[in-house]
Amino acid sequence: GAVVSQHPSRVICKSGTSVKIECRSLDFQATTMFWYRQFPKQSLMLMATSNEGSKATYEQGVEKDKFLINHASLTLSTLTVTSAHPEDSSFYICSARGTSSTIYEQYFGPGTRLTVT
Amino acid sequence: GQNIDQPTEMTATEGAIVQINCTYQTSGFNGLFWYQQHAGEAPTFLSYNVLDGLEEKGRFSSFLSRSKGYSYLLLKELQMKDSASYLCAVRDEENSGNTPLVFGKGTRLSVIA
Repeated sequence: GAVVSQHPSRVICKSGTSVKIECRSLDFQATTMFWYRQFPKQSLMLMATSNEGSKATYEQGVEKDKFLINHASLTLSTLTVTSAHPEDSSFYICSARGTSSTIYEQYFGPGTRLTVT
Repeated sequence: GQNIDQPTEMTATEGAIVQINCTYQTSGFNGLFWYQQHAGEAPTFLSYNVLDGLEEKGRFSSFLSRSKGYSYLLLKELQMKDSASYLCAVRDEENSGNTPLVFGKGTRLSVIA
């Protein structure tokens, strides 16, 4: 099956700093990538949808200037959390669909645990 | 609006059968998905239903009734490793590769000996 990787798997940063999370599709071209956030004991909340070469579409309530998403190639999307605060501490998961995906093929990365101190 | 409801927690005994229900109200419908998620890990795909009826895959089965906005995931011969969260998700638009999945809050299943 298709593989999606995320890096780093865990990151701890100080309040006010920025953190970049990478999401890569390893063996397929991801035309669309989705970024989700999950707080403890909560479900996945969609943050934004990005298409290669286009600006990301953000969900209501998600600050696009705080959560910068870049989908510069068909195998890489990045999420940068700028000026991070403790309330941004969460589990961030990316998901990707490929050019030949059937309707149910949405592959998830392993997630990145962000802790802001 | 979109609303997906499922029980928060369930407990079942090893070897037994458990049914996890999901009800949804969405503006459109283009498939219902069930995912399994162990703590600290990404969700893994279990099943997909777009037509009414039962889809069986080994120990797991999933049922859909579009007219009732209802689905269930049935797990048979429960094993301790089945202890996880089970997420119900709906894709609510047709014919769009950009359409994300909308997730319910998940049901935490605990399998006890």
